[in-house]
Amino acid sequence: GENVEQHPSTLSVQEGDSAVIKCTYSDSASNYFPWYKQELGKRPQLIIDIRSNVGEKKDQRIAVTLNKTAKHFSLHITETQPEDSAVYFCAASIYAGNMLTFGGGTRLMVKP
Amino acid sequence: GAVVSQHPSWVICKSGTSVKIECRSLDFQATTMFWYRQFPKQSLMLMATSNEGSKATYEQGVEKDKFLINHASLTLSTLTVTSAHPEDSSFYICSARTPSVGSGNTIYFGEGSWLTVV
Repeated sequence: GENVEQHPSTLSVQEGDSAVIKCTYSDSASNYFPWYKQELGKRPQLIIDIRSNVGEKKDQRIAVTLNKTAKHFSLHITETQPEDSAVYFCAASIYAGNMLTFGGGTRLMVKP
Repeated sequence: GAVVSQHPSWVICKSGTSVKIECRSLDFQATTMFWYRQFPKQSLMLMATSNEGSKATYEQGVEKDKFLINHASLTLSTLTVTSAHPEDSSFYICSARTPSVGSGNTIYFGEGSWLTVV
């Protein structure tokens, strides 16, 4: 089955700096890669996703890149703000709407 | 966006008892729902795929007789933790798949249910 590795497990940045979280996956059949933000005790919130036919996608301060050959994808957050502090999870799936395999999570702390 | 509701939000039960968690898709029909478990400070782990009108598909290592899943209607799946023990204490989250439209399906998560077994 699919295995998703995520790094780093914790990330502390100064407000205004950029944050990068990286994930690798093992199943070449995976074609859908969402990123979720989760605050303590709450449901994961989809912040951006990318499909395998696209190498990069951007939504305001958030961008995701995908290297399907190397089986890795990354989340980039620019101009970080304290409200970006949360746990971020990457995930992989064969297609959107299918079961998700999650990475281990990254606790992002943005210091004011 | 679509709404998926879970109930209860949190529950405390005694060891050895059973507890039922409901997952409802409020404004769409979901033939498929997924149940995840998340231990504190850990990731979400898929427990099973719930299919309306048929048996659930369980992930390796998840006891189907302990975690009973029933998806009797297109808007409701239930997870029953039977003979609960303290090690079953966790955050249980469901997700529901919308019908395929246009670019495909979308997954929506429920609010999650905190289970504490004492």
